Amino acid sequence: NAGVTQTPKFRVLKTGQSMTLLCAQDMNHEYMYWYRQDPGMGLRLIHYSVGEGTTAKGEVPDGYNVSRLKKQNFLLGLESAAPSQTSVYFCASSYLGARTDTQYFGPGTRLTVL
Amino acid sequence: GDSVTQMEGPVTLSEEAFLTINCTYTATGYPSLFWYVQYPGEGLQLLLKATKADDKGSNKGFEATYRKETTSFHLEKGSVQVSDSAVYFCALSDRLKAAGNKLTFGGGTRVLVKP
Repeated sequence: NAGVTQTPKFRVLKTGQSMTLLCAQDMNHEYMYWYRQDPGMGLRLIHYSVGEGTTAKGEVPDGYNVSRLKKQNFLLGLESAAPSQTSVYFCASSYLGARTDTQYFGPGTRLTVL
Repeated sequence: GDSVTQMEGPVTLSEEAFLTINCTYTATGYPSLFWYVQYPGEGLQLLLKATKADDKGSNKGFEATYRKETTSFHLEKGSVQVSDSAVYFCALSDRLKAAGNKLTFGGGTRVLVKP
């Protein structure tokens, strides 16, 4: 099993450009999440999904959109990138139900916006 | 809202030294508590967890005890190795308050173990 994979691993954008980050999981998890990691701030939740076709806002959703058309995939879109979106982005997934369920993380995407 | 506070790093230690990373939390519900570890260039992976007061989580020589009276979940290891060099994150999940098993993370503590 590959677990949680993310594409691409690195990307450099110019201000105003758009891009989509892809997250895929092969564990049949219901829940999926997108986080951003910034120095000294830990991980902050951008958007999440509790099932195919559903999405919800997290702590820092502005400037991002997401879609969950298939259970195994969760896409994060930046329509008009800004330098403040320079960060490392992590996708995670977990099972439905138990309150102590572990979240499984992907390896991350390092995004730089110039 | 919920929050997690952990000691700032970096923490620099010699091999075989004792490691403690402090973590305190604020939550109005009944949180589960986690420690995640991030090795250089990798994503986060679960190190240990505890689901209720007085529970002790343990893994790879690390331990943490859920202390409700002090709202703390400090991470300890008796003898660190160079391979323990990583960033450690304390986190909580309070599913009773919100759907989706969302996690609230602390800022992370970088640990560097020197031979």
